[in-house]
Amino acid sequence: DQQVKQNSPSLSVQEGRISILNCDYTNSMFDYFLWYKKYPAEGPTFLISISSIKDKNEDGRFTVFLNKSAKHLSLHIVPSQPGDSAVYFCAPNNDMRFGAGTRLTVKP
Amino acid sequence: DAGITQSPRHKVTETGTPVTLRCHQTENHRYMYWYRQDPGHGLRLIHYSYGVKDTDKGEVSDGYSVSRSKTEDFLLTLESATSSQTSVYFCAISPGTEKLFFGSGTQLSVL
Repeated sequence: DQQVKQNSPSLSVQEGRISILNCDYTNSMFDYFLWYKKYPAEGPTFLISISSIKDKNEDGRFTVFLNKSAKHLSLHIVPSQPGDSAVYFCAPNNDMRFGAGTRLTVKP
Repeated sequence: DAGITQSPRHKVTETGTPVTLRCHQTENHRYMYWYRQDPGHGLRLIHYSYGVKDTDKGEVSDGYSVSRSKTEDFLLTLESATSSQTSVYFCAISPGTEKLFFGSGTQLSVL
C-alpha cells in the first residue's frame, strides 16, 4: 500500500523560475517528512525535512510546505538552477517507503 | 559523508544463478535497508534490519533474502536471479527513524 504518492513523474522549468514538486500521503501518523535528491549514478541524499507540527520549513532556496488537512506537502525551489536537475523523492521518516519520485529538469 | 560501501558496483549474471550484494558501513548505525530503483517505481524497499540478526520484509521482498551477522554488514541475496531483478540496488543506513544515508548503488543485470 503506497503511503506516499508523487503524481508528477517529471517537471521541466526554466532557470531562475520556481520549481514546485508535490507529494501526497495517506497516513496522518508520521512524525516528519523528508525530501531526498538523486543525481544519476549516485545514491539519494537528504535535502530538507519538515516536522508534522510545522507547516513550513525553509533552507536557502528550498522550502517545504505541509498541509495536514489536505495530507499534502510540496517542495519549492526558488530560483531554480540547472544543477537542481535531479530526481526528487519524498518519504515519511518512520515508514521508509518512498514516493515514485519526480524528475526535475531545469533548462538554462 | 556517511561511510557506506556497496559491492560490487556493477554485476552481470545469468538467470538462475545466485547473487549476493554486500553493504558495509563504518558508522555503527542500527538500521540498514536495501532498496531497488526502477523506472516508474522510484525506490522500493526490499528488506531492512533493525539490529544484528533482526530483519524484516519490505514491499518487494519476494525472491530476496538478507542476513546481518555483524552491525557493519548487510547482505542481500538473490537465490536464483531472474531478469525481473535487473535493477539498481541501494543500501541505506540510519541511526534511528530519521534521515537515511545511501550508498552509491549496485547496477545488477540479469541476462
